[in-house]
Formats: sequence, structure tokens, C-alpha cells
Amino acid sequence: DAGVTQSPTHLIKTRGQQVTLRCSPKSGHDTVSWYQQALGQGPQFIFQYYEEEERQRGNFPDRFSGHQFPNYSSELNVNALLLGDSALYLCASSLGITGRVSYEQYFGPGTRLTVT
Amino acid sequence: AQKVTQAQTEISVVEKEDVTLDCVYETRDTTYYLFWYKQPPSGELVFLIRRNSFDEQNEISGRYSWNFQKSTSSFNFTITASQVVDSAVYFCALSGRADLGGAQKLVFGQGTRLTINP
Repeated sequence: DAGVTQSPTHLIKTRGQQVTLRCSPKSGHDTVSWYQQALGQGPQFIFQYYEEEERQRGNFPDRFSGHQFPNYSSELNVNALLLGDSALYLCASSLGITGRVSYEQYFGPGTRLTVT
Repeated sequence: AQKVTQAQTEISVVEKEDVTLDCVYETRDTTYYLFWYKQPPSGELVFLIRRNSFDEQNEISGRYSWNFQKSTSSFNFTITASQVVDSAVYFCALSGRADLGGAQKLVFGQGTRLTINP
């Protein structure tokens, strides 16, 4: 049973650049959520995708955008990178079908983004 | 607004001691869900348990146990006879009910770094 996978593992970018992170959900899951975890902090919710639509969004600027594909995989895009965007980006998957929602979210290993 | 507070930033104990991690939450929802996750040095968050707001029964799983008390808005986690492999950062999290498809977002506490010394 394949778990949540994320790529790349590590990434180094320069201020002002753009970055795309990728996530494949756990087998059987249809909902993908993205979280940002700064060093020494708890994860902060960025947004969630279900049925290829953004369903919920946290307190993040429009520089953060995403997409979900028909196979339920997802991308997180960050434009105009700032030093403060350096963090571990975690993807989580769950089952979101109304009436069968699984509240447990299963996380991938994360992508460590460093902005210099 | 939902909020989770883990007042213990770091805990250090000697192997085989019992240790309790505290979690206090705030929510106006009548239906909500509480979680504990473990984050080892590798970084991946590992799901440990979910409790529903309408089920206050405590739960035990091996050396792990959880005490949920709505009256004090607490959901504490106890590790009995701790082991070095229990060393990690532990997060308590809260979510509301998902009505329109898609799971509700998780609101995390700041985490407690637990170190078990041999």
C-alpha cells in the first residue's frame, strides 16, 4: 500500500524565483492538503484540494497556489520567493467523499525548501 | 477560531519513566476531532490517534494512552515505560466537521520535543 509521496526531497532557490512541489496521495485517497512547517513550529495549513478544486485556504498570500489533477495528485506553486518561505512543506492525503470522510490525514515525508 | 496549546516545549526523561504530554484546545464547534501525531527526526508526521468530541472514552494502545476531558478541554497523551525510540516531536491537532466534501483542516499546537535518555 503506497503511502503519500512528495518530490523533490530538498530544494534550494533564490529570492524572487518560483518553485513547484509535487505530491501523490495515499492509495484510495482523493483529498490533498498542504502545510508549511517553519523550524521549531507546528505545521500551518496552506490549502486543500478536493475534486480538483481548492476547498479551503489558510492565511497565506496569493503567491501560494496549487492544483489537483484527475489522478488526485497535487502541486504547490510558490511565486516570488521570500526568505521567509524557507520551511518544510508537508503534503497530507485523506478521503473526502461526503458521508465517507476520513478525518485522519496521512502525511508525506515533506520537501525542505531553502530560499537564499 | 480554533486553537491548540502545548505548553511543554521540551521534556527530557530517563528510559522506562512514564511521561505525559499535555494538550489544551479551544473551539466553538460542537462536533470536532482531536489528533496526536509523532514527528521523528526524519520529518514525516506519523498519525497516532483520533478522538471524536462525542466520545470521551479514554484509549490505551500498548504503552500509549490518551485521556480526553471535555470539561477541561484537554487531550493528554501518556507514554508508559518510555523507550529511546519514543524520542520525537509530538503534535496535538484539532479539526472541525467536514460538511461539504474534503476533510477539515488540521490546526496544530507548537509541539513538544520529547527526549528519552538511555
